Amino acid sequence: GAGVSQSPSNKVTEKGKDVELRCDPISGHTALYWYRQSLGQGLEFLIYFQGNSAPDKSGLPSDRFSAERTGGSVSTLTIQRTQQEDSAVYLCASSLMGGGNTIYFGEGSWLTVV
Amino acid sequence: EDKVVQSPLSLVVHEGDTVTLNCSYEVTNFRSLLWYKQEKKAPTFLFMLTSSGIEKKSGRLSSILDKKELSSILNITATQTGDSAIYLCAVVDGSSNTGKLIFGQGTTLQVKP
Repeated sequence: GAGVSQSPSNKVTEKGKDVELRCDPISGHTALYWYRQSLGQGLEFLIYFQGNSAPDKSGLPSDRFSAERTGGSVSTLTIQRTQQEDSAVYLCASSLMGGGNTIYFGEGSWLTVV
Repeated sequence: EDKVVQSPLSLVVHEGDTVTLNCSYEVTNFRSLLWYKQEKKAPTFLFMLTSSGIEKKSGRLSSILDKKELSSILNITATQTGDSAIYLCAVVDGSSNTGKLIFGQGTTLQVKP
């Protein structure tokens, strides 16, 4: 696609429920990133994919968070048993090959856990 | 620990003013520095800087990197209300080949008519 596409744009969920956030990167981009932006905070790295593998998962805050990527394209970030502190904007980004290539961001998914 | 620090955290100016936003970094394996503008949700790319002393320019925006001082500035001349946004500075961590970004807290700029 023309840009990085994310869905849903907004999600309100009850504490304890699982949520799935979807990212469709720019066509042809092999590198995909998930970041989290909490209110008033900078962007926090979560996970990096190169193709379908995730060589860097160092930013995932707990084992409730997981992500996968299939077909070298779409990625899903799953948060299990959501907590209120998970409320944030989850931003997906892609770049041509990773490394030093410019990273382009999607509009984000605003998650509110009540 | 690697970090990126931006200043000021917030700024209010009037249309026509010139502003300078600052970004300093302590990153063990620096590869490049990027500036983004975030108006609603998606940060939009402004500049990538890899070489010291070479100014990048786009319209009323310009930016320069100083590797000796481990810093960068973003200048906006003749500001307009449409420049109101959060400006994010990020450094590409070159310790692995992931290209992941280390972000500063952002500078919130408000331009009043």
